[in-house]
Amino acid sequence: EDKVVQSPLSLVVHEGDTVTLNCSYEVTNFRSLLWYKQEKKAPTFLFMLTSSGIEKKSGRLSSILDKKELFSILNITATQTGDSAIYLCAVEVGLNYGGSQGNLIFGKGTKLSVKP
Amino acid sequence: KAGVTQTPRYLIKTRGQQVTLSCSPISGHRSVSWYQQTPGQGLQFLFEYFSETQRNKGNFPGRFSGRQFSNSRSEMNVSTLELGDSALYLCASSRERAEQYFGPGTRLTVT
Repeated sequence: EDKVVQSPLSLVVHEGDTVTLNCSYEVTNFRSLLWYKQEKKAPTFLFMLTSSGIEKKSGRLSSILDKKELFSILNITATQTGDSAIYLCAVEVGLNYGGSQGNLIFGKGTKLSVKP
Repeated sequence: KAGVTQTPRYLIKTRGQQVTLSCSPISGHRSVSWYQQTPGQGLQFLFEYFSETQRNKGNFPGRFSGRQFSNSRSEMNVSTLELGDSALYLCASSRERAEQYFGPGTRLTVT
């Protein structure tokens, strides 16, 4: 059975700290890995990773994928209170009939709380 | 560009009733996916529609169904509601690949 596991489940840090969120997966027919940030309702897209070892960066956030060890990390440097959210990792698995979009399997998320 | 919209935003139903939720994707997006989010199970995939055809379905009972119209708008229906169906139902649209954009969700409470 395909599964995506995120750790830690929750994390409390202080402003200015650097955090690393983990996502490991066991799936058949891997296509890509995505990170989302969910603050109140709708998850918002952060990164899509398809190749190993290539870091994606957006401001203070960065992410990298290791397809050999089957995991990804999301780094947030110089955290701010506005970074408080649930961070979701999702893995796209290809469909049997080879459609252009696969199915997304989500982890349960890491709840990050940044204290002032 | 307008985002994904979902209606209604909140809904209260009683056990045994049925409910229909609506999702309007971002203009130009032909794929619409539905998810159920609960505190215990996280985000779980319900089904995905592309060009009015259901392309994939998650592990939910047949009480959960959906459809997509020619303008890419989608509806999902849950019949014979159970208490355990209380959840946030999220719709997401995408152009082709898995970079999905989520709507604000419909919070369904079953009493």
